[in-house]
Amino acid sequence: EAQVTQNPRYLITVTGKKLTVTCSQNMNHEYMSWYRQDPGLGLRQIYYSMNVEVTDKGDVPEGYKVSRKEKRNFPLILESPSPNQTSLYFCASSVDRGRVYNSPLHFGNGTRLTVT
Amino acid sequence: AQSVSQHNHHVILSEAASLELGCNYSYGGTVNLFWYVQYPGQHLQLLLKYFSGDPLVKGIKGFEAEFIKSKFSFNLRKPSVQWSDTAEYFCAVIPSGGYNKLIFGAGTRLAVHP
Repeated sequence: EAQVTQNPRYLITVTGKKLTVTCSQNMNHEYMSWYRQDPGLGLRQIYYSMNVEVTDKGDVPEGYKVSRKEKRNFPLILESPSPNQTSLYFCASSVDRGRVYNSPLHFGNGTRLTVT
Repeated sequence: AQSVSQHNHHVILSEAASLELGCNYSYGGTVNLFWYVQYPGQHLQLLLKYFSGDPLVKGIKGFEAEFIKSKFSFNLRKPSVQWSDTAEYFCAVIPSGGYNKLIFGAGTRLAVHP
């Protein structure tokens, strides 16, 4: 089954403790992206990647890192999480590199992160 | 600032009522427009999209949206809602030249009562 898989689904952590949220897609998609969803703000893009070893900042990249060493994986790294990073995070992928408009984004099921 | 605005944050309807959710954007030039839906506890799914051509776009589950360029709007409509339409709806725009950047509105929570 074609899907985007995120882990974990729920995560509670403390300020400053490094964490990684994994994202994997099995559709051989070139484009991958991370969003955070906050009430009243919708989804905001954190980082995106057009291909292996190619990553770019979205609208809210501060406090996050990503890597794209393999086509299927796009982990989101919080080196030193803070309470304002408490949010619902979605990973998404799309088949067309550089033509996101031409193919829909496939979203993962989300990761709810709480930083205390 | 350039943005995507969804006018209603919460909408409550009875089954069989008609639905219209507003979406306005502030980007000039050519835009690509989308509506996504997020059912409770699930991920976002594409409802419909507009790139060019007929400004009235039909999507899945009986939804449609109309692109009105002069009003910078892309409102979502459904003639008769069902309880299963209860979800959060997001309008999204890819502005001209921003082919990698999908910009979302804040979302509208729709609750349909039987």
